Amino acid sequence: DTEVTQTPKHLVMGMTNKKSLKCEQHMGHRAMYWYKQKAKKPPELMFVYSYEKLSINESVPSRFSPECPNSSLLNLHLHALQPEDSALYLCASSQGETANTEAFFGQGTRLTVV
Amino acid sequence: GIQVEQSPPDLILQEGANSTLRCNFSDSVNNLQWFHQNPWGQLINLFYIPSGTKQNGRLSATTVATERYSLLYISSSQTTDSGVYFCAVVSGSNYKLTFGKGTLLTVNP
Repeated sequence: DTEVTQTPKHLVMGMTNKKSLKCEQHMGHRAMYWYKQKAKKPPELMFVYSYEKLSINESVPSRFSPECPNSSLLNLHLHALQPEDSALYLCASSQGETANTEAFFGQGTRLTVV
Repeated sequence: GIQVEQSPPDLILQEGANSTLRCNFSDSVNNLQWFHQNPWGQLINLFYIPSGTKQNGRLSATTVATERYSLLYISSSQTTDSGVYFCAVVSGSNYKLTFGKGTLLTVNP
């Protein structure tokens, strides 16, 4: 099983709302990632968790708050977003012992901020 | 950081044609993956290929790490092959997967 599951698939939120994106994997992977993809652009890394600790934050604004409650789950908490934050948010995981391992992506959450 | 360049940016084929997509990278890599992104946004793993050659059905890939490039071959293309093909690499000991800009493939019936 190489499945990474993201919920919800679609989300529309207002600029004053608070919402969360969820990501789950049961492959025993110890590295998990959030990527952001704007239309007609490649995915860009936001955060990396390695062994449930935040190891990379690509200077992401604080209105995006990641959380890794356990080795299978990754959340992205959203607060006071702007319309320009509308994008496809992709979660990924990899085995994690080294950087030389294959990453697998979920199907994404398409976020619209109104 | 590492630079990843893909070519061509766009490619239009008739069904049944063959194609070659190229990925050049600016530094040594520990990890190289090819993905197909379908119209719904899902990134589908095609190959994990930091070096060498692999084949999977009508698709094959070759990475020549010493010359810093990788090639993805698609034979007998089908309309379902349409979408964006991304090359992504990891350089160094971090976990950052850096993507190229992609090749948009359109296969016409």
